[in-house]
Amino acid sequence: EPEVTQTPSHQVTQMGQEVILRCVPISNHLYFYWYRQILGQKVEFLVSFYNNEISEKSEIFDDQFSVERPDGSNFTLKIRSTKLEDSAMYFCASSPLAGQGEKLFFGSGTQLSVL
Amino acid sequence: RKEVEQDPGPFNVPEGATVAFNCTYSNSASQSFFWYRQDCRKEPKLLMSVYSSGNEDGRFTAQLNRASQYISLLIRDSKLSDSATYLCVVDNNAGNMLTFGGGTRLMVKP
Repeated sequence: EPEVTQTPSHQVTQMGQEVILRCVPISNHLYFYWYRQILGQKVEFLVSFYNNEISEKSEIFDDQFSVERPDGSNFTLKIRSTKLEDSAMYFCASSPLAGQGEKLFFGSGTQLSVL
Repeated sequence: RKEVEQDPGPFNVPEGATVAFNCTYSNSASQSFFWYRQDCRKEPKLLMSVYSSGNEDGRFTAQLNRASQYISLLIRDSKLSDSATYLCVVDNNAGNMLTFGGGTRLMVKP
């Protein structure tokens, strides 16, 4: 079964450092997403991406965050200057079309720890 | 008011029991509804979609009441492997953004 893959599985960084979280969506999917989950809290939407541009973003997705699809396969989330409160599990997801909640697949996540 | 609200639990039930979870959502324009399952520190996985007419998948039954903005999940004949957190999820924007509830934790005991 095709799957969304995320690397690394764990990332430890110092406050103020830049991090890049990487995702390889399912190959025929067109919509890509980032969600995050702070330990003990709910899963929160960050951003959706289609046709090489952001289609929706939440209040969490401020100027410190950016997304990019640098080539035909990778989808990245960059946090420019990490804060302690950025520590969370970051999930990438993809779907073939919009409005396809039934066909939304999540990666296994990157646990980001900011020290 | 939280957009998607769930009782966090935990619900501790014996194997074979029937258990029901409820969820309320605040946005009356919400379009699609789902139950996801999340195991500890793993990614959410779709359990089932929720339709207005109600739908069943094996031991799992989901119901939607749009008038009351209420969603339910019934699990019959609980198995140890059903132990997980069940997430109520609402799609407000044609699939571009899912809103998750905080989850209800289920623990099935032998």
